[in-house]
Amino acid sequence: DVKVTQSSRYLVKRTGEKVFLECVQDMDHENMFWYRQDPGLGLRLIYFSYDVKMKEKGDIPEGYSVSREKKERFSLILESASTNQTSMYLCATSRPIYGYTFGSGTRLTVV
Amino acid sequence: QKEVEQDPGPLSVPEGAIVSLNCTYSNSAFQYFMWYRQYSRKGPELLMYTYSSGNKEDGRFTAQVDKSSKYISLFIRDSQPSDSATYLCAGAKAAGNKLTFGGGTRVLVKP
Repeated sequence: DVKVTQSSRYLVKRTGEKVFLECVQDMDHENMFWYRQDPGLGLRLIYFSYDVKMKEKGDIPEGYSVSREKKERFSLILESASTNQTSMYLCATSRPIYGYTFGSGTRLTVV
Repeated sequence: QKEVEQDPGPLSVPEGAIVSLNCTYSNSAFQYFMWYRQYSRKGPELLMYTYSSGNKEDGRFTAQVDKSSKYISLFIRDSQPSDSATYLCAGAKAAGNKLTFGGGTRVLVKP
């Protein structure tokens, strides 16, 4: 089974801090994605990557950036955390016809 | 208007009943459709993956896609309390490509 590991389950950060959310997968999948999930808004795509060093903006990229230096690792960066970035962050990988596999999520609180 | 719409529920059914879940979508370019189940404080897990119109059955789960009406359904037979979760539908233009999710329907199966 594909395993997608997110480094932290719960995180509390202060406004203005630079925050790194790490995601690692162990199945050599090309495609990786970052979503955030909020009540009433569902899952919204922040950024995605189809290959190493490649990144594409999703639907809500403002305030975020990403890094993919190695195939197995996709990092989400909050340049200057704000309270409206308090959310559940979900990383996922995919391979054609196999759908997405999600990590367990990181619940980030910005105070 | 969201590209994928779901009734948020909650949908409450007695144990053993059939659970019927529906989504509508607006993007006619969607070719791949998925259903995910998400338990509280967990990442979504893939239940069903279908391509284009038609039915797919897997155990107690049946997924239906009607592209002519842009309507997708999930049926759960012989529902169990362990089926209590939020169910998310999603569509994609290409296999392995970025997914667009509905907001999710919360399901409660009462013993």
